[in-house]
Amino acid sequence: EVQLVESGGGLVQPGGSLRLSCAASGFIFSDYEMNWVRQAPGKGLEWVSFISKSGNRIHYADSVKGRFTISRDDAKNSLYLQMNSLRVEDTAVYYCATFSDPWGQGTLVTVSS
Amino acid sequence: DVVMTQSPLSLPVTLGQPASISCRSSQSLVYSDGDTYLNWFQQRPGQSPRRLIYKVSKRDSGVPDRFSGSGSGTDFTLKISRVEAEDVGVYYCMQGTHWPNTFGQGTKLEIK
Repeated sequence: EVQLVESGGGLVQPGGSLRLSCAASGFIFSDYEMNWVRQAPGKGLEWVSFISKSGNRIHYADSVKGRFTISRDDAKNSLYLQMNSLRVEDTAVYYCATFSDPWGQGTLVTVSS
Repeated sequence: DVVMTQSPLSLPVTLGQPASISCRSSQSLVYSDGDTYLNWFQQRPGQSPRRLIYKVSKRDSGVPDRFSGSGSGTDFTLKISRVEAEDVGVYYCMQGTHWPNTFGQGTKLEIK
């Protein structure tokens, strides 16, 4: 069974950092391109970042460019999102997704003083 | 960035009746390989999203055939032939042709 489990969310002050993780199972992780998508409370979906299978192609939404870094560790079947210089408007549930498979439940990031 | 504009934003539908959601992009979504990377996602209340349609009209595994996608260039449509109670939720289009990828605002489908 394909499973994606996000973790690492929590409450952080503006300007702080968090590292999100996504543990993948049930499929050959190294064969898949991966994305992070977020959803602010009561709002729509926002695509955040993409990483290719080999990790040599990476893209970011303008809203996070220069502050967030996506990475993957195929040996650990894991995807990461390092989030620095966090802002109140980064508050959201963060999902990792292949798009072709079921999404995880997401992890909530709250940026507040 | 490519702007994705959905309409309507709210869609009340009677059970068993058809429903249609429009999605328009600010630029052509035809990629250099000839494919058009337009996806449709469903998010039921309290659930994570799931993809229904990719490349305009290809249904994902397990998606009922009452869901269909069509369109080309900048103009796309998701149709539900006969709405069922389980179809309640928010539907999003998303373009994967241009970076950054972008979602539409979402269309909330409810039962009348």
